[in-house]
Amino acid sequence: NAGVTQTPKFQVLKTGQSMTLQCAQDMNHEYMSWYRQDPGMGLRLIHYSVGAGITDQGEVPNGYNVSRSTTEDFPLRLLSAAPSQTSVYFCASRAGGPTDTQYFGPGTRLTVL
Amino acid sequence: AQSVTQPDIHITVSEGASLELRCNYSYGATPYLFWYVQSPGQGLQLLLKYFSGDTLVQGIKGFEAEFKRSQSSFNLRKPSVHWSDAAEYFCAVGAGGTASKLTFGTGTRLQVTL
Repeated sequence: NAGVTQTPKFQVLKTGQSMTLQCAQDMNHEYMSWYRQDPGMGLRLIHYSVGAGITDQGEVPNGYNVSRSTTEDFPLRLLSAAPSQTSVYFCASRAGGPTDTQYFGPGTRLTVL
Repeated sequence: AQSVTQPDIHITVSEGASLELRCNYSYGATPYLFWYVQSPGQGLQLLLKYFSGDTLVQGIKGFEAEFKRSQSSFNLRKPSVHWSDAAEYFCAVGAGGTASKLTFGTGTRLQVTL
């Protein structure tokens, strides 16, 4: 059981480039989320999904797209990267019960030049 | 909207000393509350959680937290800190009374001196 996996671990982009951060979980969890972590600001929710085919916006969704075609995968797309998107990105998943624990992946450190 | 305040950005304690990290939340109904720990360069690990019932919650690694509704607090405690406890600690509240959409505090960095 690998839990929540994220690739890549590190990425450097130039302004305007696009990329996809990958997230996968093998726990058959319904809920998946993306957070970004910036110094002094804790983690902030970008997008989340309550099941395959269903996504919704979190606190800071601008500049990011998501889709959920399978239960296992929840990729995060940056269509045109900006320096303000330099951050550490965490994917998380949890089962469907209201008190189930949210498990976090190891993170992707993204730098946009 | 819900919010979490961790008033201490950085705390230093001696190994073997007791620890208390403060967390205050704002939420209109009964909150779902969490403490996570993040070691340098790592993801977040759940220490403990509170949903209902006993207001004193036991977690992993010898940590506990007490929910005080009257003070809107969920402080994390440990009676004797180990050097390996040095990390960043985050308090979080579940939006809408669930554990799906978490709102995090800004974190408290714990340094342990030998």
